[in-house]
Amino acid sequence: NAGVMQNPRHLVRRRGQEARLRCSPMKGHSHVYWYRQLPEEGLKFMVYLQKENIIDESGMPKERFSAEFPKEGPSILRIQQVVRGDSAAYFCASSPTSGGARNEQFFGPGTRLTVL
Amino acid sequence: AQSVTQLGSHVSVSEGALVLLRCNYSSSVPPYLFWYVQYPNQGLQLLLKYTSAATLVKGINGFEAEFKKSETSFHLTKPSAHMSDAAEYFCAVSANTGNQFYFGTGTSLTVIP
Repeated sequence: NAGVMQNPRHLVRRRGQEARLRCSPMKGHSHVYWYRQLPEEGLKFMVYLQKENIIDESGMPKERFSAEFPKEGPSILRIQQVVRGDSAAYFCASSPTSGGARNEQFFGPGTRLTVL
Repeated sequence: AQSVTQLGSHVSVSEGALVLLRCNYSSSVPPYLFWYVQYPNQGLQLLLKYTSAATLVKGINGFEAEFKKSETSFHLTKPSAHMSDAAEYFCAVSANTGNQFYFGTGTSLTVIP
């Protein structure tokens, strides 16, 4: 049973370009979460999605960031017009359908974004 | 609202010594608590979780944690440190009011041979 898959593992962009980060949850998981980890800091929640729905985006910056989890295919975190401050590790996690907040979240290996 | 405080961003122990990593939480509702470990350039791996069953929780790799409601703590321990335990450890809390996890800032564990 494959774990949470993220690609690319490393992404380099110049200021003003777009970054697209992909996440495929574990088989049977319909909940996806995106977190950002800045250097020397813990993970900060960004967004929680279920298939075709954004459930909680309270941690997403209001501009330039968007996320989707379509009916088919991976979840995408999109950052438009990247700036140096967007450089971070972005982690995706997934959890099973039932159980709610007591469920552990399974984390992918992360995408390390570097903005030049 | 939920939050987590991890005291000590860096902890060093000798190989074979006791490991104690501290975690205190704040939650307005009964919490679910988790400890994750992160090795360099990797994702997070679950060590153990507390979901309101037994207050002493045993996890993988010989780690355990005790939920103490009166102290709002969930400290992680291991009787004897091994070199392979060197990593970053994160405590996290979630609650029925939402599915997001709130993470502490992490504790970097160094094991000295």
